[in-house]
Amino acid sequence: QKEVEQNSGPLSVPEGAIASLNCTYSDRVSQSFFWYRQYSGKSPELIMSIYSNGDKEDGRFTAQLNKASQYVSLLIRDSQPSDSATYLCAVNGMSGNQFYFGTGTSLTVIP
Amino acid sequence: ETGVTQTPRHLVMGMTNKKSLKCEQHLGHNAMYWYKQSAKKPLELMFVYSLEERVENNSVPSRFSPECPNSSHLFLHLHTLQPEDSALYLCASSRDKPDLSYNEQFFGPGTRLTVL
Repeated sequence: QKEVEQNSGPLSVPEGAIASLNCTYSDRVSQSFFWYRQYSGKSPELIMSIYSNGDKEDGRFTAQLNKASQYVSLLIRDSQPSDSATYLCAVNGMSGNQFYFGTGTSLTVIP
Repeated sequence: ETGVTQTPRHLVMGMTNKKSLKCEQHLGHNAMYWYKQSAKKPLELMFVYSLEERVENNSVPSRFSPECPNSSHLFLHLHTLQPEDSALYLCASSRDKPDLSYNEQFFGPGTRLTVL
């Protein structure tokens, strides 16, 4: 059973649109949730962290967490071509320093 | 720059070689990690070192051997690797549990390893 699941995509959106990325997780006691952006050939870069139910906004990015549904999402408003990358969802639970990653969703923003 | 550095950035080695990957973090963290990233697969946690524990993924072959001399440095010693070990090896660091509210994990640039 996969710990963290994401749609692999690819997801394509036009420039200026909203990109919506989704993630579900299996460990109900998970406490910390993260979104990373990874450009081709580069390492993952942390862009959002969220710890409680609801929305968290940072610039053009909004993370949404619903622990009851075991669901976390990332919205990217006013998408730019520079947002084209693979987005990784990560979850950390009560088991300690163990982070579980999804396989990532590939996003392409079309100019 | 995330405050986590890795050397070398690229490594090509034969199956009989012995090499080491190095990671250093300047963030004041006290947990460090090695991950393997292969194409089309999730990031695979290999090892975790923290103040309280060392965690090993039981599926990691013994030809990978970690060493953590202090909270700022982490090594991955490699010997008699196989071609399927070719991948991007990522080091990361974070605050140690139980501070789960602020345990964001930051990655180094990675070492691209090719085993011939």
